[in-house]
Amino acid sequence: AQKVTQAQTEISVVEKEDVTLDCVYETRDTTYYLFWYKQPPSGELVFLIRRNSFDEQNEISGRYSWNFQKSTSSFNFTITASQVVDSAVYFCALSRMDSSYKLIFGSGTRLLVRP
Amino acid sequence: GAVVSQHPSWVICKSGTSVKIECRSLDFQATTMFWYRQFPKQSLMLMATSNEGSKATYEQGVEKDKFLINHASLTLSTLTVTSAHPEDSSFYICSATHRDGYTFGSGTRLTVV
Repeated sequence: AQKVTQAQTEISVVEKEDVTLDCVYETRDTTYYLFWYKQPPSGELVFLIRRNSFDEQNEISGRYSWNFQKSTSSFNFTITASQVVDSAVYFCALSRMDSSYKLIFGSGTRLLVRP
Repeated sequence: GAVVSQHPSWVICKSGTSVKIECRSLDFQATTMFWYRQFPKQSLMLMATSNEGSKATYEQGVEKDKFLINHASLTLSTLTVTSAHPEDSSFYICSATHRDGYTFGSGTRLTVV
């Protein structure tokens, strides 16, 4: 069975602080994709990253970085120098490497960045 | 590229009426689309997987007769909430797959009064 766990329900930080959102996954598949999405108050889901199970290199995109560790089945997301606009719900998700297969979402982490 | 358009963005309907939500892939062909439901402060719950030209596959606990899904073309899937009741009020969001991953519609906020 596939499962994604985001243990942090809510995180509150002050602007400019760094924050890490945790994601732990379970799957029996040897190949899979991992995703992060941002859901601002407006509701739409904004794609942030897709990672395949072959590639454990860390990824950096501006203030965002991702740490993928197969050994611990984790795919954590760090925002450096957080900003108020980063306030949103962030979802980690997992899928098989099959475009007809569904995305399995974690429960989400609500991030509040205070000025 | 890979844009998904979902309409309407919000709808208010009377109890007992039906509501149709459309999900269109604008610049790619979507063989498979997914429909999710999201309650306030909760995660997205998959309702069904929609494949073009065939019957949708519903997740356990989702009423097929209540949530009718049609995927008649490679660019359009529709979700019809039949005989809506206040407990059907929720945020519905569709997703389409393509080679680079999943693209989501902007969602539909349904309120049944």
